[in-house]
Amino acid sequence: EPEVTQTPSHQVTQMGQEVILRCVPISNHLYFYWYRQILGQKVEFLVSFYNNEISEKSEIFDDQFSVERPDGSNFTLKIRSTKLEDSAMYFCASLFWSQQFFGPGTRLTVL
Amino acid sequence: KQEVTQIPAALSVPEGENLVLNCSFTDSAIYNLQWFRQDPGKGLTSLLLIQSSQREQTSGRLNASLDKSSGRSTLYIAASQPGDSATYLCAVRPGGGASGSRLTFGEGTQLTVNP
Repeated sequence: EPEVTQTPSHQVTQMGQEVILRCVPISNHLYFYWYRQILGQKVEFLVSFYNNEISEKSEIFDDQFSVERPDGSNFTLKIRSTKLEDSAMYFCASLFWSQQFFGPGTRLTVL
Repeated sequence: KQEVTQIPAALSVPEGENLVLNCSFTDSAIYNLQWFRQDPGKGLTSLLLIQSSQREQTSGRLNASLDKSSGRSTLYIAASQPGDSATYLCAVRPGGGASGSRLTFGEGTQLTVNP
């Protein structure tokens, strides 16, 4: 069964460094999303992406964040200058027939 | 702004018991509602999707109901097993063409099924 994949599973970085989180959505899905979950908190929406542009973003998704679909399969989230509070689990999802399918997540730890 | 609340926050039951998890949302103008399962440190597995026009959905031992007008959904798990131990999340998608498709999540119910 097709599934959303994410790499790396765990990323450790120093504060102020740039990170890129990668996702491969299920092929033939057209809407893509990034969510995050800070430890012990709710899953929060960051951004949705359709037809090679952002369709919606939350107040969390500020200028430090960017998304890109560099080729036909990958979908990336870049954080330009990481802060301690960016430490969280980041989930990618794709939409098909009203249902969102989530990847296993990337645990980002900012030191 | 949509708010989603799940009660109880944690639940511990003996194996074989039937149980109900509750989800409530403040804005009834939803497109659909999804129930997810999350194992510790893992991703989200979609369990059931209920469209706003539906009253319930069933998958195996799971049954989810939706009362959109009152802003409530329940997830019923029959004959619980230790393997059902996980956190269960509900999430709503807003209705209306211009509302987007972001999901708003509840805090989850942490379920433990004891052998």
